[in-house]
Amino acid sequence: TQLLEQSPQFLSIQEGENLTVYCNSSSVFSSLQWYRQEPGEGPVLLVTVVTGGEVKKLKRLTFQFGDARKDSSLHITAAQPGDTGLYLCAGSGGSNYKLTFGKGTLLTVNP
Amino acid sequence: ETGVTQTPRHLVMGMTNKKSLKCEQHLGHNAMYWYKQSAKKPLELMFVYNFKEQTENNSVPSRFSPECPNSSHLFLHLHTLQPEDSALYLCASSQDEGLLTDTQYFGPGTRLTVL
Repeated sequence: TQLLEQSPQFLSIQEGENLTVYCNSSSVFSSLQWYRQEPGEGPVLLVTVVTGGEVKKLKRLTFQFGDARKDSSLHITAAQPGDTGLYLCAGSGGSNYKLTFGKGTLLTVNP
Repeated sequence: ETGVTQTPRHLVMGMTNKKSLKCEQHLGHNAMYWYKQSAKKPLELMFVYNFKEQTENNSVPSRFSPECPNSSHLFLHLHTLQPEDSALYLCASSQDEGLLTDTQYFGPGTRLTVL
């Protein structure tokens, strides 16, 4: 069974601060996705990474896939209240490409 | 608005009730999914349908019964549920099942409470 551990579980910061959240596994994934879920809504895909060592940027968000494709990180620069939400990572691997989700990091950015 | 709608958004039911959750996607996708999201647990895949055929049943109890009449609609029929079944039930769709970088689009979910 493939498991994804996300850390920290909760993070509360002030507007303007930088932060990094992590997604780790002992398994290799073919691809890894990051989602953001806002209260009362379903998860929305932010990015998909497929190559070991890959770095993708989405405005103030930087996503990195580990060289061994077992871990990933999400870095947010100058966080804003609109970044508040549950950040989920999900890995796809094996023969059927089903998504395995982590429990998520609940981020609160205070004004 | 992701193109995936779910009704109802909130549902409270007793353990002896029978109810159904509905999902509709307006994206022309071929694959649809049911997930369960409980507090402090990862999203759990329940069922997958591809071209109206069920391709995955992730050891889900028989008190949950899915139905996919066409590629745009997905139902989850509920009967004799337990309080531990209380959760957010999410529907998702994707172009096809099994593509490495395929994007799943999620609906807003149905918040289910079983009394």
